[in-house]
Order: sequence, then structure tokens, then C-alpha cells
Amino acid sequence: QTVVTQEPSISVSPGGTVTLTCALSSVSLSIHYFPTWYRQTPGQAPRTLIYHTNIRSSGVPDRFSGSILGNKAALTITGAQADDEADYYCALYLGNYIFLFGGGTRVTVL
Amino acid sequence: EVQLVESGGGLVHPGGSLKLSCAASGFIFRDSGIHWVRQAVGKGLEWVGRIRNRGNVFATTYAASVQGRFTMSRDDSKSAAFLQLNSLQPEDTAVYFCGSPLGDAYNDFPLHWGQGTLVTVSS
Repeated sequence: QTVVTQEPSISVSPGGTVTLTCALSSVSLSIHYFPTWYRQTPGQAPRTLIYHTNIRSSGVPDRFSGSILGNKAALTITGAQADDEADYYCALYLGNYIFLFGGGTRVTVL
Repeated sequence: EVQLVESGGGLVHPGGSLKLSCAASGFIFRDSGIHWVRQAVGKGLEWVGRIRNRGNVFATTYAASVQGRFTMSRDDSKSAAFLQLNSLQPEDTAVYFCGSPLGDAYNDFPLHWGQGTLVTVSS
């Protein structure tokens, strides 16, 4: 079974930098999986942050950046702010027109 | 402004059916694919499926967990997409979101999202 793995939780200090990662079971992740990142706060719809590895969605500040780090996709938040507290999800294109979400990372700013 | 509005959720008994709608505005709907994504209470996002545009023959793909029970369709004349849910089980209880990539490349993810509609499967 194919699984997309993210850190369950991460904390960051205000103004700090944090990197979230996204791994695909038994596979070295690359741009060809077109990793995409979403943010969601309780009771709200997801918001698209980054798509196709490193393209910021409209209106997303440049302190959010996406990349491939080693064999994982990564989302880096620089200058963390209190309202960055949220759940962050990565999604991958697996081929054969199938998409898959990771389990999400809860980011706490404290 | 892109808007997606889901409707049609509600309470249904196990084994029952429901049809969800996604009304779109603010973009050229006929050019876009539409994804459906669900989220059980307190859980993560789960991709349900995607329906492509006319140029891609309205092709559909589904997650294994819903294949054979759920069916996507669309009506471009009404800028609407639909998700027919059959043989519902308690584990299908979730908020169902529709999402649009604004295009329809094979690797296009949802960029814009609706607010979701809640489906509860319970006896």
C-alpha cells in the first residue's frame, strides 16, 4: 500500500524557520510527483500554498517555499507567525491519474 | 473571483445514497477538471477522485476506497459538478470538498476549494 508520510506535529518559535517534509513509501520522491502543499485551519477549507514542487499559489507570501530535499518534498516557512498555526498537507501525483494526500503536519507556533 | 459551493450533504442510513453538487463561478468551468476530496472529523484530507473536461473525454479516476460506489459527473452548461455516493457506510462520514485546478492537465491539483458539505452515514 502506498503511503505518504508527514511529521505528525512540529513546533516553531515566532520568527523562526521550520521545514516540513513529505515522503512516499519505498520511493525516492522527485519533482515528477509534483508535490503540492495545502494549509488548513479548523473548520475551514484547505488553502493552496505551493503546487508542482515550488510554485507559490496566488497571494501566498514568499516566506513559504517548496523544494525537494534529498528524497523528500519539503515546505519551508521562514519568519513564522502566530497565524501560521495550522495543519499542513502535502499531496502527490502517483501516476495513472491518481492523487494521494499525506496525513498532515500540525504546526504550532510557540 | 473563483467560487465553488458544495451542497447536498446530509444524514443518510448505511447502504443509502446521496448526490452532492458543486456549483462553480468566476472561471471557465468547461476548461477545468474537478477534484473531490473528503475529510472525516478530526482526520486528514483524502482524495476521492477527479473528473476531467470535455477535451479529455470527461475521464474519471477514483480512489480505491470509493471505486465502484461513487460516480462523478458534470454539467458544463450549468457550471456544476456532481458526486453520486452509493452504498454508503459509516466510514464515508466526512466533509466533502470540491476543488478546481482551473485547467485540466494530467497533473493538475486542486487550487481553489469550496467550503465543503457534510455527509453523515448513521443508523
